[in-house]
Amino acid sequence: DAKTTQPNSMESNEEEPVHLPCNHSTISGTDYIHWYRQLPSQGPEYVIHGLTSNVNNRMASLAIAEDRKSSTLILHRATLRDAAVYYCILRVPIRDDKIIFGKGTRLHILP
Amino acid sequence: KAGVTQTPRYLIKTRGQQVTLSCSPISGHRSVSWYQQTPGQGLQFLFEYFSETQRNKGNFPGRFSGRQFSNSRSEMNVSTLELGDSALYLCASSYLVGGDTQYFGPGTRLTVL
Repeated sequence: DAKTTQPNSMESNEEEPVHLPCNHSTISGTDYIHWYRQLPSQGPEYVIHGLTSNVNNRMASLAIAEDRKSSTLILHRATLRDAAVYYCILRVPIRDDKIIFGKGTRLHILP
Repeated sequence: KAGVTQTPRYLIKTRGQQVTLSCSPISGHRSVSWYQQTPGQGLQFLFEYFSETQRNKGNFPGRFSGRQFSNSRSEMNVSTLELGDSALYLCASSYLVGGDTQYFGPGTRLTVL
């Protein structure tokens, strides 16, 4: 399975944008890039996913490099409630029944 | 629509006992997956069920088992508990199998003494 690499932790100030990077240099053509996050004392929750084009939803934006070897999750205006562990995951539709979680990035938001 | 529910939320057992955890998926979801989360190993996949059939299994000993009922509710069982089984057990449901978005419950915190 293709692997992802994320920084262990990041800090950001409240109400500022946050860019969470993810490297996936061995990504294959059928891998979708998914992001989940886990808030303290909760189960993981889906954030966003994409294949080639940049994606936006109410929670975040996903910017995918042209060669697809890296991507960036963008939180446009971080709040204290965005403090969580963010996981970048590669999945293949139909084939991947399970999610292989890495260590993720622990995001700290400073008030 | 109600989210994934797991019961109980907290459980304390002693070594050698067995435990059964329950998961009710989101209405209409037929796929249920189970994960174990520990500080040392992170989130690890246990198994997945779809339409009462186990489709996939992670690298866990046979003491870990599960099943799914016709109403899509699922249970997992751990027999002969060990101290290392202390963990947060998470259940996730999805509408389809294979790459579909998974929706997680709050988990069951199991402590083995």
